[in-house]
Amino acid sequence: NAGVTQTPKFRILKIGQSMTLQCTQDMNHNYMYWYRQDPGMGLKLIYYSVGAGITDKGEVPNGYNVSRSTTEDFPLRLELAAPSQTSVYFCASSYSMNPQETQYFGPGTRLLVL
Amino acid sequence: AQSVTQLGSHVSVSEGALVLLRCNYSSSVPPYLFWYVQYPNQGLQLLLKYTSAATLVKGINGFEAEFKKSETSFHLTKPSAHMSDAAEYFCAVTSAGGTSYGKLTFGQGTILTVHP
Repeated sequence: NAGVTQTPKFRILKIGQSMTLQCTQDMNHNYMYWYRQDPGMGLKLIYYSVGAGITDKGEVPNGYNVSRSTTEDFPLRLELAAPSQTSVYFCASSYSMNPQETQYFGPGTRLLVL
Repeated sequence: AQSVTQLGSHVSVSEGALVLLRCNYSSSVPPYLFWYVQYPNQGLQLLLKYTSAATLVKGINGFEAEFKKSETSFHLTKPSAHMSDAAEYFCAVTSAGGTSYGKLTFGQGTILTVHP
């Protein structure tokens, strides 16, 4: 049981390039989330999904896109990378969005846009 | 709307000393509160959570937190710090109602340093 896995661990992008951050969970969780973590700012919710084919915006969705074709995978797409997207990205999953549920986090992807 | 404020971005203690990390929340509906820990180069791991069952919540690694509604606080404590406690700690809030239902709002984090 690997939990939540993310690839790559680290990536450097040039301004204007695109990339996909991968996230996979093997806990059969319906709910998945993408956060970004900036120094001194805590984590901000980018997008979330309540099941395959259903996604919704979080607090900071601009510049990102997501899709959810399977229960296991929830990739995050950056179409035109900008320096403001330099951050650490965390994927998380939970069994439900019941507020008592624990969210389980992946190890993160560190992205540097130059 | 909901928010979390963690007082002190850095806290430094000696090994064996009391650890106190402060968290105050704001929520228009009854909150659910969480403490997560992040070790260097790792993801977040749940330490403990308050889900209205008991105001004093015990978590892993000897940590506990007390929910005080009158003070809108959920401070994290540990009686005796260990070197392995050095990490960044995040307080988070969610609620059972409104547009914030089930969505976590995080504080800015507190880095705990433990000196020998």
